[in-house]
Amino acid sequence: EDQVTQSPEALRLQEGESSSLNCSYTVSGLRGLFWYRQDPGKGPEFLFTLYSAGEEKEKERLKATLTKKESFLHITAPKPEDSATYLCAVQARNSTSYGKLTFGQGTILTVHP
Amino acid sequence: EADIYQTPRYLVIGTGKKITLECSQTMGHDKMYWYQQDPGMELHLIHYSYGVNSTEKGDLSSESTVSRIRTEHFPLTLESARPSHTSQYLCASTRDSAYEQYFGPGTRLTVT
Repeated sequence: EDQVTQSPEALRLQEGESSSLNCSYTVSGLRGLFWYRQDPGKGPEFLFTLYSAGEEKEKERLKATLTKKESFLHITAPKPEDSATYLCAVQARNSTSYGKLTFGQGTILTVHP
Repeated sequence: EADIYQTPRYLVIGTGKKITLECSQTMGHDKMYWYQQDPGMELHLIHYSYGVNSTEKGDLSSESTVSRIRTEHFPLTLESARPSHTSQYLCASTRDSAYEQYFGPGTRLTVT
C-alpha cells in the first residue's frame, strides 16, 4: 500500500529563516510526486511535479527535490505570505488509469514577521 | 491559474435534507475527482470520472453519488444529509492521469 509521511507536522519560522519540509514515501514504483500549497478554507494549489530521483524544480522562494525515498521542499528566506499548509502526494506507476494520488497529512508552515 | 469552480462555498443544512454540490471546469479536462478532507487530515478520494457517463467510487466509502452528463460538470449529491457528512468537499480535474490535478476552492458542508 502506498504511504506518504510528512514532517514536521507544524513549523514556525521567522521571516528570512530558511528551512526544509520533508515528504517520505513508500510506493510500488513512483510515477510522480506532487507538491501543493493549501491556504485555510481553500483548495490545494499546485506547486510542483517531480518524476525521477535527482530532479529539482524551483518557483520563487521554493525549491523541491526528489530522492528514491523522499522529497524536500526548501523554503529560502520565507515571508509571512508563505504561511500555509504544504501537501505532498504520490502517484504509483502501476496505478490504474484514473491516476490515484496518495496524500500526506501536510505540514503547517507559519512565518512570523 | 486553474479554472475550476465549486458552489456553494459554505453550506449549513439540517439532517435529512437532500443536497447537491456543484463542480464545473472550463479546461476541457476529461478526468474529474471528488475528495473529502476533514480538518488536519489527508485528502481522501470518494469519486472519480474518466469522462462523460463514466463514474467510479474512490478509496473512501461515501454515501454520496455523482453524475457526469457533460464534460465540464461533475455534481455530487447526498440524498439524505447526516451530521457524519460534515466535512470539506474538494473537486479536482486533470488533462491526463499522469499529470497534476487542479483543485477547486472547496465546499465546507455542515449538517446539523
